[in-house]
Amino acid sequence: DTAVSQTPKYLVTQMGNDKSIKCEQNLGHDTMYWYKQDSKKFLKIMFSYNNKELIINETVPNRFSPKSPDKAHLNLHINSLELGDSAVYFCASSQDTGTGWSRWPLHFGNGTRLTVT
Amino acid sequence: GENVEQHPSTLSVQEGDSAVIKCTYSDSASNYFPWYKQELGKRPQLIIDIRSNVGEKKDQRIAVTLNKTAKHFSLHITETQPEDSAVYFCAASIRTSGTYKYIFGTGTRLKVLA
Repeated sequence: DTAVSQTPKYLVTQMGNDKSIKCEQNLGHDTMYWYKQDSKKFLKIMFSYNNKELIINETVPNRFSPKSPDKAHLNLHINSLELGDSAVYFCASSQDTGTGWSRWPLHFGNGTRLTVT
Repeated sequence: GENVEQHPSTLSVQEGDSAVIKCTYSDSASNYFPWYKQELGKRPQLIIDIRSNVGEKKDQRIAVTLNKTAKHFSLHITETQPEDSAVYFCAASIRTSGTYKYIFGTGTRLKVLA
């Protein structure tokens, strides 16, 4: 009954490869996110989708391309992986008030540890 | 600017003592402030949150205070236990381009010594 589930849990790959991470939430939330947590534990937002529409796109290399086929799913595809992409990637979701002004907590998935060698 | 400062970065306390973690935010329009606990190798989990129309909120051994004038908020854990050891993150909701996002502090590693 995991609320936000992401796969895979671990991903080890070589530089230059392309990989995808999948995320699904069964909470009925309207908004989904991708966060990156680096080795120093900093949590930084990458993207946010609301009802399949991209609403936040931080300064992320265009090698990263999110896709939301429906509001319960948000996938992340990464092209031409680099050593610096190694991190834990967290998917999250939150309820949306419809007002665009957030007062709802994030629910995180268990994370995907990406290691680029 | 979009900034949430968090202090201290590490905190060691004896079991049974209190722990206080402080955060400062920059956007005066921020109106929601959650706190997350992240145990080693696990996901961040919400432990308490506060909205801008409230100055203080308590849940058993955990409390959060908010000072909107000074733009800072704090997490207070009383009667600490070894299982409280984790990394704690504060966050603030930031209005941006007609929507919002959460900006996280840099985290506090809390160690409770038995």
